[in-house]
Amino acid sequence: AQSVTQLGSHVSVSEGALVLLRCNYSSSVPPYLFWYVQYPNQGLQLLLKYTSAATLVKGINGFEAEFKKSETSFHLTKPSAHMSDAAEYFCAVSDLGGSEKLVFGKGTKLTVNP
Amino acid sequence: NAGVTQTPKFQVLKTGQSMTLQCAQDMNHNSMYWYRQDPGMGLRLIYYSASEGTTDKGEVPNGYNVSRLNKREFSLRLESAAPSQTSVYFCASYPPGSNQPQHFGDGTRLSIL
Repeated sequence: AQSVTQLGSHVSVSEGALVLLRCNYSSSVPPYLFWYVQYPNQGLQLLLKYTSAATLVKGINGFEAEFKKSETSFHLTKPSAHMSDAAEYFCAVSDLGGSEKLVFGKGTKLTVNP
Repeated sequence: NAGVTQTPKFQVLKTGQSMTLQCAQDMNHNSMYWYRQDPGMGLRLIYYSASEGTTDKGEVPNGYNVSRLNKREFSLRLESAAPSQTSVYFCASYPPGSNQPQHFGDGTRLSIL
């Protein structure tokens, strides 16, 4: 069964600092991988997705993620944090088995300090 | 705007009451999903429907039933609500045969006293 591990349930950075949110997955087949963001009291919004094309994926709001098969990782980064980046971030993997079920990590809450 | 619409947005129930959460999408997607979100647990799949007329259990189906009424609508029913079902419920849909992401509704915040 697929699983997703997000290291760090809470991450705190200063405004302007690098954002690094970690995600490792387990999958028996090449997966599709996604990062979603959730702002307080809102639904999930897609940041970016990996679907076996380029291993470095650029998303919205200046975020990007690199797929590393050897490390089974898909970490999310942003060079310079902004106050508006404060939110909860979820990594998810899809099984490609026809149902396209998503398995989510437990989430990482990002705090950005002034 | 096109997308996934969930009703109601908020609901408070007493233990033992029943209710149905509604979800509709207008994007002609085949697959639809119900998730629950609990603090520190991420989103967990309750039920999904790969196409009209089919439904399958996800990770946490106990205490829930679903109906895929037609291609647009996928409802989630709590027959006898329990405090452990206090959660935020999200519906999502997915386009057929593509590598596109799932589209999520804004959620239903359900409290069971």
